Amino acid sequence: NAGVTQTPKFRILKIGQSMTLQCTQDMNHNYMYWYRQDPGMGLKLIYYSVGAGITDKGEVPNGYNVSRSTTEDFPLRLELAAPSQTSVYFCASSPGLAGGGGNEQFFGPGTRLTVL
Amino acid sequence: GNSVTQMEGPVTLSEEAFLTINCTYTATGYPSLFWYVQYPGEGLQLLLKATKADDKGSNKGFEATYRKETTSFHLEKGSVQVSDSAVYFCALTGTASKLTFGTGTRLQVTL
Repeated sequence: NAGVTQTPKFRILKIGQSMTLQCTQDMNHNYMYWYRQDPGMGLKLIYYSVGAGITDKGEVPNGYNVSRSTTEDFPLRLELAAPSQTSVYFCASSPGLAGGGGNEQFFGPGTRLTVL
Repeated sequence: GNSVTQMEGPVTLSEEAFLTINCTYTATGYPSLFWYVQYPGEGLQLLLKATKADDKGSNKGFEATYRKETTSFHLEKGSVQVSDSAVYFCALTGTASKLTFGTGTRLQVTL
């Protein structure tokens, strides 16, 4: 199993550009999450999903959108990039307690995004 | 809401020294508690977890005990190695298995 994969690894955007960060998991997990990690800080939850077709806001959703059309994929969309969105973005998945596999999360390697 | 407070770093230790990283939490109900580790340039990896009061999580020589009476989950290791140099995050889980993280503690181990 590849686990959680993210693309791209690095990206530089200009202010006002848009892009989609891709996230795929092959563990058949119901729950998926997007976090951002700013330098010297912990991770902040942007959006999460408890299953295909269901998404909800986390702590810092402004400026982002998500969709969950399949169990495997959970892309994060930035519509109008701003310097404040410069960060490292992590995708994660979890089977959840109902999935019988425990509630720990499995993380992807991250996408480092710079907005200039 | 839920919150996690962990000691600020960086923590610098010599190899074979004893490690303690303090973590306390505020939460409703009975959350599961976790320690994640992040090596340079990588994502987070689960180090250990505890799902109920008095549980002890352990892995790779690291241990932490879920103390409900003191709302704490301190990370300990008896003898650190250079390879343990990383950032350590304490976290708890709430509804929908969402994680609330502490700000992380950087550990640097020198020879």
